[in-house]
Amino acid sequence: DAKTTQPNSMESNEEEPVHLPCNHSTISGTDYIHWYRQLPSQGPEYVIHGLTSNVNNRMASLAIAEDRKSSTLILHRATLRDAAVYYCILRETSGSRLTFGEGTQLTVNP
Amino acid sequence: EPEVTQTPSHQVTQMGQEVILRCVPISNHLYFYWYRQILGQKVEFLVSFYNNEISEKSEIFDDQFSVERPDGSNFTLKIRSTKLEDSAMYFCASSAQGLAGNTIYFGEGSWLTVV
Repeated sequence: DAKTTQPNSMESNEEEPVHLPCNHSTISGTDYIHWYRQLPSQGPEYVIHGLTSNVNNRMASLAIAEDRKSSTLILHRATLRDAAVYYCILRETSGSRLTFGEGTQLTVNP
Repeated sequence: EPEVTQTPSHQVTQMGQEVILRCVPISNHLYFYWYRQILGQKVEFLVSFYNNEISEKSEIFDDQFSVERPDGSNFTLKIRSTKLEDSAMYFCASSAQGLAGNTIYFGEGSWLTVV
């Protein structure tokens, strides 16, 4: 599986935007970029995914670099409930599993 | 919003005992998965299941583990003879399709403690 690199931790203030980066320089042309998050003592929760174009949904936006070697998850207005570990995961078209890394621990300050 | 449900939420079992963890995937989903997370560690893939057979399994999923879809709604993970190192949170998940662009939905987990 192609590898992703994320900062171990980030901090944000409530109601401010948060930009969570992810590097995936060995991404292949058919890998999808998925973002999941895990709140304390809960199961992973889907956030957003994309292939080449930027994506928006009710939870977040995903900005994908033109060369696809990096992406950024954008939370437009962080809330305390957004404090979680955020995982950037590449998923191959031929594979069925999600391979979780260490992720980024996001702390949101009131 | 439809969700994956798991039971029990917490189970304590003695080493060597058999354990069955149960899951009800989202209705009309076709792909089912089990993942686990040992306390303080990463979420790890165990197995995926489609069309009543295992489609992929990890090296963790040895002969002590088995999965079954006994009826149209349940999906179970059996650990035949539990070991201390099986203590973990086990997550069931499902997706409509198995393609890379499909979303996988996770349950809240079953916390297994082996003593």
